[in-house]
Amino acid sequence: DAGVIQSPRHEVTEMGQEVTLRCKPISGHNSLFWYRQTMMRGLELLIYFNNNVPIDDSGMPEDRFSAKMPNASFSTLKIQPSEPRDSAVYFCASSQGVEQYFGPGTRLTVT
Amino acid sequence: GDSVTQMEGPVTLSEEAFLTINCTYTATGYPSLFWYVQYPGEGLQLLLKATKADDKGSNKGFEATYRKETTSFHLEKGSVQVSDSAVYFCALIAGNNRKLIWGLGTSLAVNP
Repeated sequence: DAGVIQSPRHEVTEMGQEVTLRCKPISGHNSLFWYRQTMMRGLELLIYFNNNVPIDDSGMPEDRFSAKMPNASFSTLKIQPSEPRDSAVYFCASSQGVEQYFGPGTRLTVT
Repeated sequence: GDSVTQMEGPVTLSEEAFLTINCTYTATGYPSLFWYVQYPGEGLQLLLKATKADDKGSNKGFEATYRKETTSFHLEKGSVQVSDSAVYFCALIAGNNRKLIWGLGTSLAVNP
């Protein structure tokens, strides 16, 4: 099993640009989670999906952030426009039961 | 609401020392409890879990016992190695949803 796949692994962009992060969950998993990790705020849940439907998006910081899950094997997290304070490591995780399996993360730097 | 509190780091130990990282929780009902580990530059991975009171989770020499009377799930290892250097997260799931409630993480550095 390839595990959770995230792309890109690193992204450097300028303030105001659109950023799209991608995630492929483990096949057969029906829940998908997007997290953000920073030194200041630790690990934050942004949004999670169950059977491709968003269940809890209370952690999405503001309207600049949006997430989609068009099918069971793909999800995107988009930031438009990006700001320097969005710089963080973004993790995707998937699960079938209670255990969550994390991807390697995307390190985003907004200059 | 539900919450997890774990001891602040960083924790610095010498190789073969005994490790304890404290974790306490607040939750309604009977949560499932977890320890995740994050090695440098990687995502989090499940280290061990316990789903009911008095259960002991164990893996790679680490142990934690679900103590309902003290609402605790402390992580222990008898003899740490340099390769155990990582950040350790305590977490819980309560109720029927899949949302993990996370502690802030405890950084462990083990020196040779």
